Amino acid sequence: VQLLESGPGLVKPSQTLSLTCTLSGGSITSAGYSWSWIRHLPGGGLEWIGYISYSGATSYTPSLKSRVTMSLDTAENQVSLKLNSVTAADTAVYYCATTISVDQNYYFYFDLWGRGTLVTVSS
Amino acid sequence: QSVLTQPPSASGAPGQTVIISCSGGSSNIGTNSVNWYQHLPGTAPRLLIHSNDQRPSGVPGRFSGSKSGTSASLAINGVQSEDEADYYCAAWDDSLDGRGVFGGGTKLTVL
Repeated sequence: VQLLESGPGLVKPSQTLSLTCTLSGGSITSAGYSWSWIRHLPGGGLEWIGYISYSGATSYTPSLKSRVTMSLDTAENQVSLKLNSVTAADTAVYYCATTISVDQNYYFYFDLWGRGTLVTVSS
Repeated sequence: QSVLTQPPSASGAPGQTVIISCSGGSSNIGTNSVNWYQHLPGTAPRLLIHSNDQRPSGVPGRFSGSKSGTSASLAINGVQSEDEADYYCAAWDDSLDGRGVFGGGTKLTVL
């Protein structure tokens, strides 16, 4: 199983960042799996953005919840991320990752990551 | 400001034991299991330890994890040069409607 993130490397402030994560060697509707988006900020920290389950249920981090939408494209075997009203603070490397979420997230971890894609927000 | 607290750096000579700490609170480490990730810049991060102390297949036995109360540790017994990387702890946090949280990362230097 491999994950590959793709999308524009440059987005203008106030616009919408749109990324896709293509899964090869598996199905995004595999029962028991979720798909997270995580970003690595220039300051060095990792930030979990949210996840979408194989059934389409979503959970977003509260600080980004008002701007984030995740969805599944079963025909293309892709997971998408949309982040609207971006600013320079959204500049980061964005990763998708397969996510294990069990027992009300007592067990919550990312067992396979993509290599990430750099998104720069600049005019 | 990361929810989980890690030292920014750690170091050790080849063959030594290095321990990286991760401190949290009652809503994250105190309630849920802890995971560790290894990240070399320019590559995909790698799951090193999950569920406090479980090593995925393919992860060398020199890596081990433990948890006590609201703190956790990653130990590397017999550190090797290829272990030079950034290490992050992570867990689910039950506050604020729930969210995944990370430590700020620890840069390991092999002397």
